[in-house]
Amino acid sequence: GAGVSQSPSNKVTEKGKDVELRCDPISGHTALYWYRQSLGQGLEFLIYFQGNSAPDKSGLPSDRFSAERTGGSVSTLTIQRTQQEDSAVYLCASSLDRAHEAFFGQGTRLTVV
Amino acid sequence: TQLLEQSPQFLSIQEGENLTVYCNSSSVFSSLQWYRQEPGEGPVLLVTVVTGGEVKKLKRLTFQFGDARKDSSLHITAAQPGDTGLYLCAGAGGRGADGLTFGKGTHLIIQP
Repeated sequence: GAGVSQSPSNKVTEKGKDVELRCDPISGHTALYWYRQSLGQGLEFLIYFQGNSAPDKSGLPSDRFSAERTGGSVSTLTIQRTQQEDSAVYLCASSLDRAHEAFFGQGTRLTVV
Repeated sequence: TQLLEQSPQFLSIQEGENLTVYCNSSSVFSSLQWYRQEPGEGPVLLVTVVTGGEVKKLKRLTFQFGDARKDSSLHITAAQPGDTGLYLCAGAGGRGADGLTFGKGTHLIIQP
């Protein structure tokens, strides 16, 4: 595709359930980022991938959060045993390399009820 | 951990006024990017500054990179309601860091 694609665009889940968010980066982009954004707030860094490895996982809020990237392409962010405070927009971005322009997806709006 | 501090966090002004927002760090970056995010959308790149002291203009927006490449400013002249959004700075190539480091952003509202 032409841009970064995220799915689903909206997800409503019950507290305690697991969710999986998907990010399809721009083809050929080696760097991939996950951010979380609460309503009216800035970006909260979660994790950064260079290829399939994650040199910086420092932003993951708890061990309920995990992410992987396979084939240097698609990434999934998994949240286990969701809590209401996990409700936010989860944004994925990719860039050609670690210092280049980041292209963002439209985000996944997660609501935990 | 790299840290980019943006100020002010929130700014609401009248149409036609001028404003400046700031992005500061104790770290040196090889380049610094500014993004704008509108509601319901992901951030979109406005400009990249690379050289210390560099000034770039984008219509009514003027971006400056500090001489020491640790800070940057965005000045908007004669602000318009269409300038409303979240302005984010991101540093690349900071010492000891990998990838892009984003600030928390400045929420800008231009009242008609």
